[in-house]
Amino acid sequence: QQQVRQSPQSLTVWEGETAILNCSYENSAFDYFPWYQQFPGEGPALLIAIRSVSDKKEDGRFTIFFNKREKKLSLHITDSQPGDSATYFCAASVVATGGNNKLTFGQGTVLSVIP
Amino acid sequence: GGIITQTPKFLIGQEGQKLTLKCQQNFNHDTMYWYRQDSGKGLRLIYYSITENDLQKGDLSEGYDASREKKSSFSLTVTSAQKNEMAVFLCASSIDWGSETLYFGSGTRLTVL
Repeated sequence: QQQVRQSPQSLTVWEGETAILNCSYENSAFDYFPWYQQFPGEGPALLIAIRSVSDKKEDGRFTIFFNKREKKLSLHITDSQPGDSATYFCAASVVATGGNNKLTFGQGTVLSVIP
Repeated sequence: GGIITQTPKFLIGQEGQKLTLKCQQNFNHDTMYWYRQDSGKGLRLIYYSITENDLQKGDLSEGYDASREKKSSFSLTVTSAQKNEMAVFLCASSIDWGSETLYFGSGTRLTVL
């Protein structure tokens, strides 16, 4: 059973557009949601993360919108650049109880930004 | 800064073969992880080690063994490689078990003939 789901599987946008990547989850105990960015041939790297007490987290062109009631979140990439072309993983874990850092990953969204 | 080094980068094995993947980190992190990445399936946790003398099974441990030889190194063994298996195995580390950020290596790509 996939506890963290991402959509779409792949997304193509033009340079300068806003890319929207979606994520939903099933376990209401999840309270920490990082997004990891992975370029071909490399390992994933933490891009941005949000805790369930917040509904928005912004870092430059990257913004997470979080809806706890609907158990959904989205990553918005504004002014998309060709260098943003990568696979983006949404992940979730329960950290409030302390020490449990078993991240559950979604299946990823492959983003292509066309110049 | 630090780095996670995974060896080999590419591993080709025969069906039924025992194969070992190695991981070294120089972050001085306590906790290390092995994930399997399959196309379209995301990352799934195979084994993790909270501290130097610890070993824990993840969600996908069947068919694998792991060994934390010392704080900086964590190995994964595929006990009997399955034909047509192809996946990328990613090693990661974090400061400790409560730390939220994982640092990943660039992976070992396994092909089984």
